[in-house]
Amino acid sequence: EAGVAQSPRYKIIEKRQSVAFWCNPISGHATLYWYQQILGQGPKLLIQFQNNGVVDDSQLPKDRFSAERLKGVDSTLKIQPAKLEDSAVYLCASSLSVGRYNEQFFGPGTRLTVL
Amino acid sequence: AQSVTQPDIHITVSEGASLELRCNYSYGATPYLFWYVQSPGQGLQLLLKYFSGDTLVQGIKGFEAEFKRSQSSFNLRKPSVHWSDAAEYFCAVGANNAGNMLTFGGGTRLMVKP
Repeated sequence: EAGVAQSPRYKIIEKRQSVAFWCNPISGHATLYWYQQILGQGPKLLIQFQNNGVVDDSQLPKDRFSAERLKGVDSTLKIQPAKLEDSAVYLCASSLSVGRYNEQFFGPGTRLTVL
Repeated sequence: AQSVTQPDIHITVSEGASLELRCNYSYGATPYLFWYVQSPGQGLQLLLKYFSGDTLVQGIKGFEAEFKRSQSSFNLRKPSVHWSDAAEYFCAVGANNAGNMLTFGGGTRLMVKP
């Protein structure tokens, strides 16, 4: 079974530029998550989708971050404009459904460096 | 709101020695607790989880963890560490609601000496 795919794996941009990350969850997984992991810290949930609807985006900085999952499968996370403090690894995860009994499977992440 | 503290940022153990990684949580209801491992350049992998029942849970790769409600702890243990266990370990608590939100600790980086 293929795992969660993310691209690109690495991205370097200058501050005030825009960037987008892509995630393809495990086939059949209805729930998709985006986490931000700053160096030396644990992952922090940014947004959670159930199919193409948002379940939780309370920690998403909506003035610069946006995410969509239009067809309920792939998802894109965008930052516009980027700030230095956005340098982090962005992890995508998926699970069969919402609910605590559904294990989250993580992708390898996209490492973003903002100069 | 829930929170997780992992007091040890770095731990170094010799190969073959026993290991214990500490995790303390804060949560107002029955916690759902997890341990994940992250190897360099890879995503997080679930080692084990606690939902209810037996407070000693077994996981993959020979790891186990014990839930102690009185101490608000969920420490991870392994009797004999292998060099391949070198990685970063994260403890997480799950929200007791319809969603599946995880709150992670800051992680403990494990180094293994030959």
